[in-house]
Amino acid sequence: DAKTTQPPSMDCAEGRAANLPCNHSTISGNEYVYWYRQIHSQGPQYIIHGLKNNETNEMASLIITEDRKSSTLILPHATLRDTAVYYCIVSGGGGSNYKLTFGKGTLLTVNP
Amino acid sequence: EAGVAQSPRYKIIEKRQSVAFWCNPISGHATLYWYQQILGQGPKLLIQFQNNGVVDDSQLPKDRFSAERLKGVDSTLKIQPAKLEDSAVYLCASSLDPAGQYGYTFGSGTRLTVV
Repeated sequence: DAKTTQPPSMDCAEGRAANLPCNHSTISGNEYVYWYRQIHSQGPQYIIHGLKNNETNEMASLIITEDRKSSTLILPHATLRDTAVYYCIVSGGGGSNYKLTFGKGTLLTVNP
Repeated sequence: EAGVAQSPRYKIIEKRQSVAFWCNPISGHATLYWYQQILGQGPKLLIQFQNNGVVDDSQLPKDRFSAERLKGVDSTLKIQPAKLEDSAVYLCASSLDPAGQYGYTFGSGTRLTVV
């Protein structure tokens, strides 16, 4: 079962920052938060992941609250090509049995 | 580095026929996953391998689905016989370590249509 809650859809104006929220209130101490996105007809694309600290890469920033019960993915300057379904995922398992369990994600639509 | 390779890209078969999908993970990635993604839904895990051993196949419909990773590198997923509800995209993913500290990489998937 998915352990994250995301809004089903969001809109963003081109050039503006897109802030995608995610709740993961049951996250365990050793579980990572991952963000992937999926553009129609393609496989999920890795964006960013983190454990406790905020993370930034060339695509996005990940802000994780101090209690780790929620996070926000920030696309600093959204473009039309960022229109996709964004999945927030908490890796679950232990030992060799870690896996990504996808929920329904957030459909982000970037408008001109 | 090369990504996760999957083939074929598309497949159309009639119900009750058999079909096989192939996946070649990123070199050195010990953990391999097969996911099924039905239109409009998020991917659902079917099976997870660690090297050539099965770690989790609890969601695999074993009466018709089978998967193997004989040499701990590439993998095949087979459906026999196929049903209409098997129409989906089948995604393969791999990771360097099971905990995914370095992330998980997905292939482009195989789109199966059962008619």
